[in-house]
Amino acid sequence: QSVLTQPPSVSGAPGQRVIISCIGSSSNIGAGYEVHWYQQLPGSAPKLLIYINSNRPSGVPDRFSGSRSGTSASLAISGLQAEDEADYYCQSYDNSLSGSYVFGTGTKVTVL
Amino acid sequence: QVQLVESGGGLVKPGGSLRLSCEASGFTFSDYYMSWIRQAPGKGLEWVSYISDDAAYTDYADSVKGRFTISRDDAKNSLYLQLNNLRAEDTAVYYCARRDRTFDYFDYWGRGTLVAVSS
Repeated sequence: QSVLTQPPSVSGAPGQRVIISCIGSSSNIGAGYEVHWYQQLPGSAPKLLIYINSNRPSGVPDRFSGSRSGTSASLAISGLQAEDEADYYCQSYDNSLSGSYVFGTGTKVTVL
Repeated sequence: QVQLVESGGGLVKPGGSLRLSCEASGFTFSDYYMSWIRQAPGKGLEWVSYISDDAAYTDYADSVKGRFTISRDDAKNSLYLQLNNLRAEDTAVYYCARRDRTFDYFDYWGRGTLVAVSS
């Protein structure tokens, strides 16, 4: 059961900028836990995209950027490209009794 | 390079059991916390369980607590998940994932193994 809420879908034309929100609560993002983002291309396993709110692993283009504020976080994709069409998930740690790690509901990015 | 390869999935009847395995290579397995994460068909990601590097600590999602058991064998560089009393809602692709040594994110994932629970 996801406790981080994301929009089901966002879309944009090639070259545009899209932003995906990730809304949490006082037991996860609001408690100061970092937010991480994963990209899941069709038919593939998830891949780490952004770690500790705004850091990119080696090989991830700087078109991808992340931020965190209060009880929410966001992922921005600038200069949208066809290969960015994928599902994106945020993830954090949760200190409630229901489990340690929580994922967002997921957002499908469509390149028009 | 880091590799995680899951196996053991399959079709099982409700109430049945299955044991998933994840073989790791390309890193010092005993230095890392490991997790299982699942994804039901057409749905999002759900964290299932983790085990600490020394196997002293484990945790489970409420949805599987009391039915699933995570374990590891560092001599075999392997992670396991015992699934008991399976339900239809456990149908999913199960991914093995490595947690960063310091922070709570998953830096490497396997390709997953499909568990289908159906009569």
